[in-house]
Amino acid sequence: GDSVTQMEGPVTLSEEAFLTINCTYTATGYPSLFWYVQYPGEGLQLLLKATKADDKGSNKGFEATYRKETTSFHLEKGSVQVSDSAVYFCALTLTGRGSTLGRLYFGRGTQLTVWP
Amino acid sequence: SAVISQKPSRDICQRGTSLTIQCQVDSQVTMMFWYRQQPGQSLTLIATANQGSEATYESGFVIDKFPISRPNLTFSTLTVSNMSPEDSSIYLCSGGDRFYEQYFGPGTRLTVT
Repeated sequence: GDSVTQMEGPVTLSEEAFLTINCTYTATGYPSLFWYVQYPGEGLQLLLKATKADDKGSNKGFEATYRKETTSFHLEKGSVQVSDSAVYFCALTLTGRGSTLGRLYFGRGTQLTVWP
Repeated sequence: SAVISQKPSRDICQRGTSLTIQCQVDSQVTMMFWYRQQPGQSLTLIATANQGSEATYESGFVIDKFPISRPNLTFSTLTVSNMSPEDSSIYLCSGGDRFYEQYFGPGTRLTVT
């Protein structure tokens, strides 16, 4: 079935370190891919998205590229800040016939903690 | 973008009682969904809230336990009925007009004692 697999957390980094959070997916058809971020005590915020293969989503210094050949959408940031500490969720939605438009399939989430 | 609010933000309830959670969107949206997030876990879809008709439930969720209303394009409610401690979770609603832009409410943190 359709699913998202994220790397296990937690991830702990020092400020200004490089971040990678791996995400791979299994889906029928051509999904759209997302990264959501959840800060402590808050709901989910859309961080970035990519709707077709080779698209690169970017926002707030974060980037992810939709790789159809490896079914991946890894999240990267060149220099993390303490304020980036949050839980990050990779997700997909399907757009083909019979799909529920807007319905998201989420990965388990990865807790990121950045120390000063 | 859409701004989504939920009420209540948190509640502590006794087992056997029911709680209704409200979700309000600041603009009309085509799609609305209800998710559950158990402590330290990912989000699980409960149901799609359909405007003017019965909600569409995911496997493992039933209308008698989680009745949902959606009277218009900006509002929906989820009721958690006959609660047990296993229902302790964060309940989130989401909405949007485009499949690639779904916005989430801040969540309702429910504790059942």
